[in-house]
Order: sequence, then C-alpha cells, then structure tokens
Amino acid sequence: DIQMTQSPSSLSASVGDRVTITCRASQGIRNDLGWYQQKPGKAPKRLIYAASSLQSGVPSRFSGSGSGTEFTLTISSLQPEDFATYYCLQHNSFPMYTFGQGTKLEIK
Amino acid sequence: EVQLVESGGGLVQPGGSLRLSCAASGFTFSSYSMNWVRQAPGKGLEWVSYISSSSRTVYYADSVKGRFTISRDNAKNSLYLQMNSLRAEDTAVFYCARGPLRGDYGGIDYWGQGTLVTVSS
Repeated sequence: DIQMTQSPSSLSASVGDRVTITCRASQGIRNDLGWYQQKPGKAPKRLIYAASSLQSGVPSRFSGSGSGTEFTLTISSLQPEDFATYYCLQHNSFPMYTFGQGTKLEIK
Repeated sequence: EVQLVESGGGLVQPGGSLRLSCAASGFTFSSYSMNWVRQAPGKGLEWVSYISSSSRTVYYADSVKGRFTISRDNAKNSLYLQMNSLRAEDTAVFYCARGPLRGDYGGIDYWGQGTLVTVSS
C-alpha cells in the first residue's frame, strides 16, 4: 500500500505570508497527486491536479510541484479565505486512493 | 454545474445497518466512476469504496471490506452505500465523490456536502 506523509500537521501564518505544505509518498507515484482545501463543515475542494495543474477557478496564488515521492503545495501570499485544512491525495494506486493526514493552516 | 447530494445518514446502534444514497446531476453520471470517502469527527479523510461507471469493478478499504457494499443505478443517476455490521468507529461524515471518466485514470474532482452517520447505543 502507498502511504502519504504530509507535513506539517499544523501551521500558523499571517495574511501575506508564503507557505509551503509537503507530501511524501512511500514509493514513486509519478505525478499522480492532487491537493484539496477543506473549510470547517464543508466538503473538500480540489485546488491542484496532476501535481502541478491548477484547477479551473482556483486563484493563481496556489501552485503545486513535485514528482515521484515528494510534492509541495505553495500559497504565494496568504489571504484570509485561505485559512483551512489542506490534504493531498494520491491516485497512482487507482482506484485505491490514499490521503495525506492533513495540514491545518491557522492565523497567527 | 456538477451536483452531488447525499442522504440517508443518521443515528444507528452498533451492529445495525444503514443505506446511504447520492443523487448526481449536472454531468453524465453513467460515464464516471464514483467513490465514497468518509471523515470521522475531527479527523482526516479516508477513502472507503470505488465503483466503475458500469458497476463492473468495485473496491473497498480494508476497514469496511465484507461489511459495506457500493452500488449505483445509472438510470436514476444515483450512487449507494449499504453499510452493515456498523461499529462505533464507522461514525463519520460520508461524502460521495466523483472519479475519472470511464476508461480514464485519475483522482477525485467533485464532492457532495456529506451525510453524517453516528453509530452509538
């Protein structure tokens, strides 16, 4: 089974900061990874697919990179609406998906 | 606009059963694989089950194998999850989530708003 290790588990930052969240796969998964944002009481929303492609309608301050076993989600300049929990999801073992544990992004 | 609306959640006793439904609209349901994903209170996301567009292929997480059954009715644009032998650890919000197009390979793009299942005596 492919395991996804996401870090950090929580992060405090200020509006305007640049933040980076990392997911590491237990084995190579090419670019078979997406990033999701979830706000309290809401469904997850996909931000990035295929590791680095921006989902339609998602602000360009979000970007993804990586391939193989290490992936990053970067928010270039945090906005108030970005404070949420973020998850990575691998689909290399499709259709047996695996999520990262999540990163809670909080206001400093 | 893609819409996925879950229903059927509620309070059930340990060992009991529940059937979740997901009504899909805004896309050609019969062309897409579908999934159920759950989230225990205050916890992360856990993939539960997958069904191909034709229902020919199904997969389950080890944690629910033998207890849960996924199915779909393409004529009714609906996805289902029959949950039997429920345990306290199955308490979660259950999300219906769309997978890739038939014959394609990829992740989950759209999610419903979820339905809460509580297993407690």
